[in-house]
Amino acid sequence: ETGVTQTPRHLVMGMTNKKSLKCEQHLGHNAMYWYKQSAKKPLELMFVYSLEERVENNSVPSRFSPECPNSSHLFLHLHTLQPEDSALYLCASSQGVLNTDTQYFGPGTRLTVL
Amino acid sequence: RKEVEQDPGPFNVPEGATVAFNCTYSNSASQSFFWYRQDCRKEPKLLMSVYSSGNEDGRFTAQLNRASQYISLLIRDSKLSDSATYLCVVTSMDSSYKLIFGSGTRLLVRP
Repeated sequence: ETGVTQTPRHLVMGMTNKKSLKCEQHLGHNAMYWYKQSAKKPLELMFVYSLEERVENNSVPSRFSPECPNSSHLFLHLHTLQPEDSALYLCASSQGVLNTDTQYFGPGTRLTVL
Repeated sequence: RKEVEQDPGPFNVPEGATVAFNCTYSNSASQSFFWYRQDCRKEPKLLMSVYSSGNEDGRFTAQLNRASQYISLLIRDSKLSDSATYLCVVTSMDSSYKLIFGSGTRLLVRP
């Protein structure tokens, strides 16, 4: 399935590096999301974008910086991360932005911070 | 108290067995409920929505008990391919954009 794609699939970075995660949705959806999934913890919503406008920032540290240049693309810029930021980062999209709209997830980027 | 609580399992059952998972949620005002499935090292995918009257999709039946604030998922005639983690999901009352995910219940179906 190629509805929502994410690159890279795996990323290892040092605490002083700067990197970016990319998400692209091919479903014509209007809303995009970033989630964090740590080991044995539930998915945590990080950011929500509706028609390229950020509508939710779920108390995420400023070392994570999202960017949504258009309704099909979403980026997560990373800088000066901590080892506890190691997790699976999932992108999702939905037709509308209400939490009753079905969300379609990408395969995720598995991030390791050394 | 966690907003959504699930037994982490694993539930280890033979093929053909019937297995049921429960999930409890803390906010009595929550409106919408879902079950997602997540295969090992893969992304979550919507399995089914949970309606007040209960709903069935093939071998899967979902029930909602608002009075007791729990949701259930019943899987009949388990297949090897049902092995996965099942995530209970509830809409947030704090935000119209937010879903609250449980940590998941792991199911292993053995031959």
